[in-house]
Amino acid sequence: QKEVEQNSGPLSVPEGAIASLNCTYSDRGSQSFFWYRQYSGKSPELIMFIYSNGDKEDGRFTAQLNKASQYVSLLIRDSQPSDSATYLCAVNQAGTALIFGKGTTLSVSS
Amino acid sequence: DTAVSQTPKYLVTQMGNDKSIKCEQNLGHDTMYWYKQDSKKFLKIMFSYNNKELIINETVPNRFSPKSPDKAHLNLHINSLELGDSAVYFCASSPNHSYEQYFGPGTRLTVT
Repeated sequence: QKEVEQNSGPLSVPEGAIASLNCTYSDRGSQSFFWYRQYSGKSPELIMFIYSNGDKEDGRFTAQLNKASQYVSLLIRDSQPSDSATYLCAVNQAGTALIFGKGTTLSVSS
Repeated sequence: DTAVSQTPKYLVTQMGNDKSIKCEQNLGHDTMYWYKQDSKKFLKIMFSYNNKELIINETVPNRFSPKSPDKAHLNLHINSLELGDSAVYFCASSPNHSYEQYFGPGTRLTVT
């Protein structure tokens, strides 16, 4: 059974701080890794994807991948109240569907 | 311009009824998906189509039948609705299986 694990949270951080969201996956053959943000009552929105080991930065967001440890993380710098949402980690192999984690709820207080 | 659209947005119906949800994408993607998000917010794949061909069919009751008339459309028909079918159903599309997926706004199905 392929699994993606995330702490459900809530993860609470003050405005301006760095939020660190973590995800582990069981399938060593996973090739693609995604972070989605989902506001309450809305659809998942893709915010980052990463395919290679290392870091990938996009604005305030940094995705980090360590395939040896089967670990992927998302850092959000200068967190804002508008970042408060559920963050979903998803992984897949080529030709297969995304496997989602259950999400981590982030709360950024002003 | 809506990239992935679904209709209806809300669907309230009684047990035993048959209903359909429609999905359309204007991104030119080859692959489309149906996901179910339950009350605990867990998002799980149901079906995947690539160029109108069924690629993934997870363990879903055969009361659920997807249909893809062309690669821009993927509809979901549900027969004999049950209380446990109440959930939010999301359609998504991607250039192919290996790439990022883009989700529609969701259809909240409530079975009474």
